[in-house]
Amino acid sequence: QVQLQESGPGLVKPSQTLSLTCTVSGGSISSGGYYWSWIRQHPGKGLEWIGYIYYSGSTYYNPSLKSRVTISVDTSKNQFSLKLSSVTAADTAVYYCANFGGSGIFDYWGQGTLVTVSS
Amino acid sequence: EIVMTQSPATLSVSPGERATLSCRASQSVSSNLAWYQQKPGQAPRLLIYGASTRATGIPARFSGSGSGTEFTLTISSLQSEDFAVYYCQQYNNWPLTFGQGTRLEIK
Repeated sequence: QVQLQESGPGLVKPSQTLSLTCTVSGGSISSGGYYWSWIRQHPGKGLEWIGYIYYSGSTYYNPSLKSRVTISVDTSKNQFSLKLSSVTAADTAVYYCANFGGSGIFDYWGQGTLVTVSS
Repeated sequence: EIVMTQSPATLSVSPGERATLSCRASQSVSSNLAWYQQKPGQAPRLLIYGASTRATGIPARFSGSGSGTEFTLTISSLQSEDFAVYYCQQYNNWPLTFGQGTRLEIK
């Protein structure tokens, strides 16, 4: 069974870049067939899909965040990463990595990591 | 983007009773609708996809229905472990979007 684990700083200063990594185990990103995503959840709020990357490097970003988001993949480490630039307090959230097959249904999720934007 | 609207925001139901949660899409999503359950401090868990197909390991008391713009999640006889927040999600159009959630609480 695929397992995902987020890692990265829990505190980021305003205007800086948020960087998170998701390590995948129990399956290989490079085997294809899955899209590797980031999703966030503001405190006490709903879920917001940030975007995905395929093992080939192709990406799709939510237009609401597109200007600030970069998702990359490192198949040699079986990891994918999120960078969100110019963060503000509004980017404080729990960030999840997750995957879906071709359909867009999220099968497996990481446990989530809280990132707080504060000086 | 497609806006998903869930109602009610909070639903109070007694254990053993039936719960009915609604999800409406701002435009048709066909049957490309999933339901997730989220408990405090946990990631969401897939319950239903294709509007009505239970995911692996999901008890039969969970059922989904609907197509187009109107969808329903029904829990036939609430167990203590079912009290959680439920989200619908459409995967018919990009970007993928979720509803704001329905909190199911013990009455």
